[in-house]
Amino acid sequence: KNEVEQSPQNLTAQEGEFITINCSYSVGISALHWLQQHPGGGIVSLFMLSSGKKKHGRLIATINIQEKHSSLHITASHPRDSAVYICAVNQGGSEKLVFGKGTKLTVNP
Amino acid sequence: NAGVTQTPKFRVLKTGQSMTLLCAQDMNHEYMYWYRQDPGMGLRLIHYSVGEGTTAKGEVPDGYNVSRLKKQNFLLGLESAAPSQTSVYFCASSYLLRVSYNEQFFGPGTRLTVL
Repeated sequence: KNEVEQSPQNLTAQEGEFITINCSYSVGISALHWLQQHPGGGIVSLFMLSSGKKKHGRLIATINIQEKHSSLHITASHPRDSAVYICAVNQGGSEKLVFGKGTKLTVNP
Repeated sequence: NAGVTQTPKFRVLKTGQSMTLLCAQDMNHEYMYWYRQDPGMGLRLIHYSVGEGTTAKGEVPDGYNVSRLKKQNFLLGLESAAPSQTSVYFCASSYLLRVSYNEQFFGPGTRLTVL
């Protein structure tokens, strides 16, 4: 069993819809990361959080440490949000990341 | 600032050939990482470095070697390439905020095919 599980694997939405991507992990962590990988391949960090909630523009990330669960929400989705979204965690005191397999999001106009 | 750059962007090798992938960062980051990304799998750590002159093994180190002679550069070597090393390779770097709480900045990737 992968230590970091994401759901769904694939998600198709219509422009304007509210989107939620989930991440569950089975180990103690010090931080959780949400990353975005565009079709061109580049990977960028969206959020790094260890508690509560963070918001950048239309993106919101939440984490529940007790339930070992995080969600990434996209409000008013747009075709340019189409990408693979990757969840990763720092286990315990490690500087290394463990990655989920990613969620492929397609937003249709 | 260029951020994290990788050279080359694409490469085709024959089985048994060797090559070196270069990663460079201009952000004065302490930590640097090499990952591989394969279809249907998450990013997997090959080797990493916590500072100039140091290297450590990650999850999938076999068949690869690394060196970090300068703080800004992290080299990944394949001594004798195998088809199983066909993959997209990403380099990343991070600053030392706290050991286990550090945002990583990724390079654009190198697509390697081994025939």
